[in-house]
Amino acid sequence: AQSVAQPEDQVNVAEGNPLTVKCTYSVSGNPYLFWYVQYPNRGLQFLLKYITGDNLVKGSYGFEAEFNKSQTSFHLKKPSALVSDSALYFCAVRDWGGSQGNLIFGKGTKLSVKP
Amino acid sequence: DAGVIQSPRHEVTEMGQEVTLRCKPISGHNSLFWYRQTMMRGLELLIYFNNNVPIDDSGMPEDRFSAKMPNASFSTLKIQPSEPRDSAVYFCASSRTGGGGELFFGEGSRLTVL
Repeated sequence: AQSVAQPEDQVNVAEGNPLTVKCTYSVSGNPYLFWYVQYPNRGLQFLLKYITGDNLVKGSYGFEAEFNKSQTSFHLKKPSALVSDSALYFCAVRDWGGSQGNLIFGKGTKLSVKP
Repeated sequence: DAGVIQSPRHEVTEMGQEVTLRCKPISGHNSLFWYRQTMMRGLELLIYFNNNVPIDDSGMPEDRFSAKMPNASFSTLKIQPSEPRDSAVYFCASSRTGGGGELFFGEGSRLTVL
């Protein structure tokens, strides 16, 4: 069965410091991986995805993610955090099981960036 | 593009009442998803349509929940009768068919059942 795990409920970072939000995955097919961000009282917004190709994927708002097949990880990164990056971040994987169009989401990681 | 449009944004109702949530997907997208988000259970897929046909409704909690997609530009999620445990934020999302397509989410409908 497909699944993703976000091992940290919360990540605290000082503004200007690099940030990493962790995600590991388990899939039986090709690992199509996604990151989304959710601001309070808003819907989920797409940040970036890995389908194939370069292991380093660049996305919106200066975020990037590194696909690591040997470690089955897809960590989200940003070189310099902003207070406005504070939000809930979700990792997701394409469901190659019954609902092949569906994404399976992790539980989310709350990112808090302090000035 | 207007994005995925959901209505109402907020709904407060009493136990036993019927609730209807509405969704207009992005034009040209042929897959539509209904998710529910709660603090306890996170994001759960309720039902998934492809080309207006329900493909997987295994996430629908029980018979009180039903969803329809009469055409490519409109879907409803109905709860009848509603219960307090149905209180949650309900999201609609759409995408183009294909493994690489990302989902685009609406702003959600926050349901409170008293």
